[in-house]
Amino acid sequence: AQTVTQSQPEMSVQEAETVTLSCTYDTSESDYYLFWYKQPPSRQMILVIRQEAYKQQNATENRFSVNFQKAAKSFSLKISDSQLGDAAMYFCAYRRLQETSGSRLTFGEGTQLTVNP
Amino acid sequence: ETGVTQSPTHLIKTRGQQVTLRCSSQSGHNTVSWYQQALGQGPQFIFQYYREEENGRGNFPPRFSGLQFPNYSSELNVNALELDDSALYLCASSLVSREQYFGPGTRLTVT
Repeated sequence: AQTVTQSQPEMSVQEAETVTLSCTYDTSESDYYLFWYKQPPSRQMILVIRQEAYKQQNATENRFSVNFQKAAKSFSLKISDSQLGDAAMYFCAYRRLQETSGSRLTFGEGTQLTVNP
Repeated sequence: ETGVTQSPTHLIKTRGQQVTLRCSSQSGHNTVSWYQQALGQGPQFIFQYYREEENGRGNFPPRFSGLQFPNYSSELNVNALELDDSALYLCASSLVSREQYFGPGTRLTVT
């Protein structure tokens, strides 16, 4: 079974600074997807960024980028120029490329990010 | 484009009762997944429905059941509620094997 681990329960960053959230995962698959989701106090899970394991290039979405290290099974999220609106719980998630029984997401435990003004 | 909606927002039930939670998929999506998120934890996959049939199930007992309707909306039913069923229940819709878009969740409290 796949597992996702986020070893940082809480992180804080000053507004306009850069912060990196860590995620490791365990899988025997060679092809899969990795995601970072953001869950603000409103509770709605919002997709931040997605990475396909077969792509060597790290995904980037505006101020959000990932450092994907396939051999190390590491998938960190870097937030540049942090804004107050970035404060939320961040979840790393894994999904197999091909599912015979549903395209389930496996989530980590989450990292609570605080942005200080 | 209408996003994923869930109802109710909150509800309180007593142990042993039954509950039905509802989800309306994003327009054009044919797959619905349900997740349980206990306080302070990541979401856990309950099951997924595709074209009105269960298409994958997580490690949840049979008293968790669901339905998907022809308009792709969905229900999650939980029988014989237990205290540990208290959680945020998230619904996500997608096209099969594509990104999942989440609703705002239903907060269930079992007393």
